[in-house]
Amino acid sequence: QSVLTQPPSVSGAPGQRVTISCTGSSSNIGAPYDVHWYQQHPGTAPKLLIYGNTNRPSGVPDRFSGSKSGTSASLAITGLQAEDEADYYCQSYDNRLSASVFGGGTKLTVL
Amino acid sequence: QVQLVQSGSELKKPGASVKVSCKGSGYTFTDYAMNWVRQAPGQGLEWMGWINTYTGNPTYAQGFTGRFVFSLDTSVSTAHLQITGLKAEDTAVYYCARVWSRSSGMDVWGQGTTVTVSS
Repeated sequence: QSVLTQPPSVSGAPGQRVTISCTGSSSNIGAPYDVHWYQQHPGTAPKLLIYGNTNRPSGVPDRFSGSKSGTSASLAITGLQAEDEADYYCQSYDNRLSASVFGGGTKLTVL
Repeated sequence: QVQLVQSGSELKKPGASVKVSCKGSGYTFTDYAMNWVRQAPGQGLEWMGWINTYTGNPTYAQGFTGRFVFSLDTSVSTAHLQITGLKAEDTAVYYCARVWSRSSGMDVWGQGTTVTVSS
């Protein structure tokens, strides 16, 4: 079981908005340690999508946004596009484990 | 441009060893920590640990002690992951990823190295 809990799957139609949750605890997200989000298309390496809870690296469309509150974080994607279909992972640090931790991943399907 | 280039796929027999390399370019190698991440077939990302590229000090996650060794050759900006006593369950894609700080995330990833362990 992952320390950070994500829904296994979410879906949405093109143009819609979806959110992916990442639930942790007081030893990681709530500590508070920063949350980062990654996008992974099949057969490719993960790509940093959001860092430091809310920041987008250069080149990431502003359709992607991150938020954090208490022991949870969320990734929102607006104006869904076919190319957004991928796996998404949240990541943070856990001071009880003294380790970086990933969520189990969420598969986004664009209907 | 900034990139991490990993060595090619490996097919090994159980009990053998493998060494995966990760060469950084386009940035000062010792300014960023190097993390290692495993992804078993059809599974999620699993953090293996990291190595301080300035001091060479490695840190291993639970479950990755004993048979896993992180090392460096800073003269050629390369990090290595060695796995000894390979088991079938070590079959996975192994990624290196650089990190500036806990607030920055893993901003550049290698393309991944597939290690297959089979008799």
